[in-house]
Amino acid sequence: AQSVTQLDSHVSVSEGTPVLLRCNYSSSYSPSLFWYVQHPNKGLQLLLKYTSAATLVKGINGFEAEFKKSETSFHLTKPSAHMSDAAEYFCVVEGGGNKLTFGTGTQLKVEL
Amino acid sequence: GAGVSQSPSNKVTEKGKDVELRCDPISGHTALYWYRQSLGQGLEFLIYFQGNSAPDKSGLPSDRFSAERTGGSVSTLTIQRTQQEDSAVYLCASRSDGGYSYNEQFFGPGTRLTVL
Repeated sequence: AQSVTQLDSHVSVSEGTPVLLRCNYSSSYSPSLFWYVQHPNKGLQLLLKYTSAATLVKGINGFEAEFKKSETSFHLTKPSAHMSDAAEYFCVVEGGGNKLTFGTGTQLKVEL
Repeated sequence: GAGVSQSPSNKVTEKGKDVELRCDPISGHTALYWYRQSLGQGLEFLIYFQGNSAPDKSGLPSDRFSAERTGGSVSTLTIQRTQQEDSAVYLCASRSDGGYSYNEQFFGPGTRLTVL
């Protein structure tokens, strides 16, 4: 069975500083991994996805993530946080039938 | 519209009543999923439809939950004899079988269900 662990439930950064949201995965085979973002009272939006092509994946809004098999990690980063990045972020692994298993989420707070 | 739509956006019901939640997937998407997002359980898979195949019901929490997909398009999630622990946001997603976005699930805005 596949699973993901988001290591931080809350992350707080200052505007203009880097963002790091950590995710570790567990899978018996090479997984497809995703990061989704959920703004308050909005639907889930795909930020980026890894599907066994390039290990460094670039997504929307300046986010990127690196798949590291040796560390079973898929951390999400952004060089410079913006106020509009404040939201909840979910690391997700795809299983059989393309069913998604979500992490518990990381709430990102961006302060002035 | 171009995206996944769900109705109603909010539903308040009394314990013991039945409710129906509707999902309209993106036109042409063959796969449709239901998920539930609740405070205690996070985001969890409920049921999955793929074309004309039998649905994968492995995530349904009890036999009070059922879903159908008519004509390979619209889906209805039914909860019978609702309980307070059913209170959650119910999310629908659809997925295409081809193209660059073949394994991307597009989510609707959700239906917030409150059971009093």
